[in-house]
Amino acid sequence: DQQVKQNSPSLSVQEGRISILNCDYTNSMFDYFLWYKKYPAEGPTFLISISSIKDKNEDGRFTVFLNKSAKHLSLHIVPSQPGDSAVYFCAASAWGATNKLIFGTGTLLAVQP
Amino acid sequence: EAGVVQSPRYKIIEKKQPVAFWCNPISGHNTLYWYLQNLGQGPELLIRYENEEAVDDSQLPKDRFSAERLKGVDSTLKIQPAELGDSAVYLCASSLSVGGTYNEQFFGPGTRLTVL
Repeated sequence: DQQVKQNSPSLSVQEGRISILNCDYTNSMFDYFLWYKKYPAEGPTFLISISSIKDKNEDGRFTVFLNKSAKHLSLHIVPSQPGDSAVYFCAASAWGATNKLIFGTGTLLAVQP
Repeated sequence: EAGVVQSPRYKIIEKKQPVAFWCNPISGHNTLYWYLQNLGQGPELLIRYENEEAVDDSQLPKDRFSAERLKGVDSTLKIQPAELGDSAVYLCASSLSVGGTYNEQFFGPGTRLTVL
């Protein structure tokens, strides 16, 4: 049972345009959501997060949107840069299990120069 | 500041052989995690330590997997005997846990295991 789903295995975007990565979840107990970025042969690195009490969190070029009613979150990268090319994982944790992350399967983003 | 260190980075063994992975977390981090990442999948938690205590090992296949974190610092994950399906990347992460809130997890580069 995949509690966190990233239905797009890959995404290709032109440099300077917006990248939108999507994530859906099924567990209504999730109350904290994160995006991790992973380059080849490296471990995932934290990118941005959002609590369920918010619907938007912004950090520079990165914005995460949360739609609790739809159990959906998205990561927007504007403008996209070639260095953003990586695998992006969505992750979630539930209240009372704050350090237990459930990861999605990842989306490979390719930003074309 | 050094990040999470894992060794070896790559390991190739034959099935039924034992294998061990080592992790040194970020200095001062009290929580250590071992994750399994299969090809095309996200990381899945195997075991979480708070200091020396394994507080969540519900996903660890205890018939062949074992882990220890002596002295609450570095940790070893062992598989004995290894099976073909154990081929994957084994990630270690650490965090400085302060109760109640999410604490950022910092990941090591992982050990890629190939079982032939």
